[in-house]
Amino acid sequence: EVQLVESGGGLVQPGGSLRLSCVASGFTVSDIYINWVRQAPGKGLEWVSVIHGGGDAYYADSVQGRFILSRDNSKNTVYLQMNSLRGEDTAVYYCARSSNFYDYAMDVWGLGTTVTVSS
Amino acid sequence: EIVLTQSPGTLSLSPGEGATLSCRASQSVSSNSLAWYQQKPGQAPRLLIYGASSRATGIPDRFSGSGSGTDFTLTISRLEPEDFAVYSCHQYGSSPLWTFGQGTKVEIK
Repeated sequence: EVQLVESGGGLVQPGGSLRLSCVASGFTVSDIYINWVRQAPGKGLEWVSVIHGGGDAYYADSVQGRFILSRDNSKNTVYLQMNSLRGEDTAVYYCARSSNFYDYAMDVWGLGTTVTVSS
Repeated sequence: EIVLTQSPGTLSLSPGEGATLSCRASQSVSSNSLAWYQQKPGQAPRLLIYGASSRATGIPDRFSGSGSGTDFTLTISRLEPEDFAVYSCHQYGSSPLWTFGQGTKVEIK
């Protein structure tokens, strides 16, 4: 079964760090793009970052320099290292797959993991 | 960065009625790389439309997408009870920085 499962969310103080994981099954993460998309409480979706099959990673301006994507092909897992967290980073974080099958739209999504930044 | 503006913010309709949702881009979306997603409370988004007008696998034909350049539309021909949700557009043409619209809520009147 094709699926993505996120984990690693929790409560963290401002300025702290968290690492989110996105484990894929049913496909290989190095063959496609894996995105992170977040949704603040009561707000719309915000694209955060993407790692391409070749390993290149890109970030929204709002997280550039604070968030870092990495990938472990042996575990078929993508990680989002989040540093210098701020209140505005509070959100549900989803990982989602993009492939050329759907023109790089996001066709498979995880259930999300919640990050709360608060003192 | 391409900014996507969706309208209206909320659409109040009855089951059986049609719905027309708009997504306007601040600059032309390359290759019509525009998708629409449906999201229900507590759930992850679900891909409905990609490439501006192609339905994803398993999506009923009452959902259709159209448009090009800077103006895109999602049309739901006859609302079913399960269609009441939030709909978001997403552009993935301005690689590598992608953006979403703020969403349109379709609610029961």
